[in-house]
Amino acid sequence: QQQVKQSPQSLIVQKGGISIINCAYENTAFDYFPWYQQFPGKGPALLIAIRPDVSEKKEGRFTISFNKSAKQFSLHIMDSQPGDSATYFCAAKAPNAGKSTFGDGTTLTVKP
Amino acid sequence: GAGVSQSPSNKVTEKGKDVELRCDPISGHTALYWYRQSLGQGLEFLIYFQGNSAPDKSGLPSDRFSAERTGGSVSTLTIQRTQQEDSAVYLCASSLAGGGSANEQYFGPGTRLTVT
Repeated sequence: QQQVKQSPQSLIVQKGGISIINCAYENTAFDYFPWYQQFPGKGPALLIAIRPDVSEKKEGRFTISFNKSAKQFSLHIMDSQPGDSATYFCAAKAPNAGKSTFGDGTTLTVKP
Repeated sequence: GAGVSQSPSNKVTEKGKDVELRCDPISGHTALYWYRQSLGQGLEFLIYFQGNSAPDKSGLPSDRFSAERTGGSVSTLTIQRTQQEDSAVYLCASSLAGGGSANEQYFGPGTRLTVT
């Protein structure tokens, strides 16, 4: 049973466009939703995260939108740049749980 | 300061051999995690250590997999009698503490294991 479903698997966007990656979760106990960015040969790095008490969080060109009733959250990358080309993972974590549950990842390619 | 380090960066082994993968967490981080990332897949949780508490081993796929964390710092993931399906990138992460939701996990670069 996959607890965090991520889509699309891959995404190609033109430079300057908006990249949107979606995740849906099942466990209503989750209360922390981070997004990670991973470049080839590197480990994932935290990009931005949100708690369910807010519907949106913005950091620079990166925005998380959160819909608690639908149990969905998404990452929006505005003005996408070739340097944003990477694999993006959503994740979810429950209180007092050590582990995070990750989505399967989205490979983003931003074409110049 | 130094991040999470892992060694070796690459490991090629023959089927049936045992391998040991090492993780050095960030100094002062009490929580340590091991994940497995197969080609084109997400991160699969393997095991979690928090301080002196009993580790959460719920993600270990078989009894061929084991992990230790000595002195609350360095961790070793051991895979016995390796199989080809064990081929993957093994990622280690650490965080200041594990219990709170917003404790950021810092990942190492991973060890790429290839079983031939």
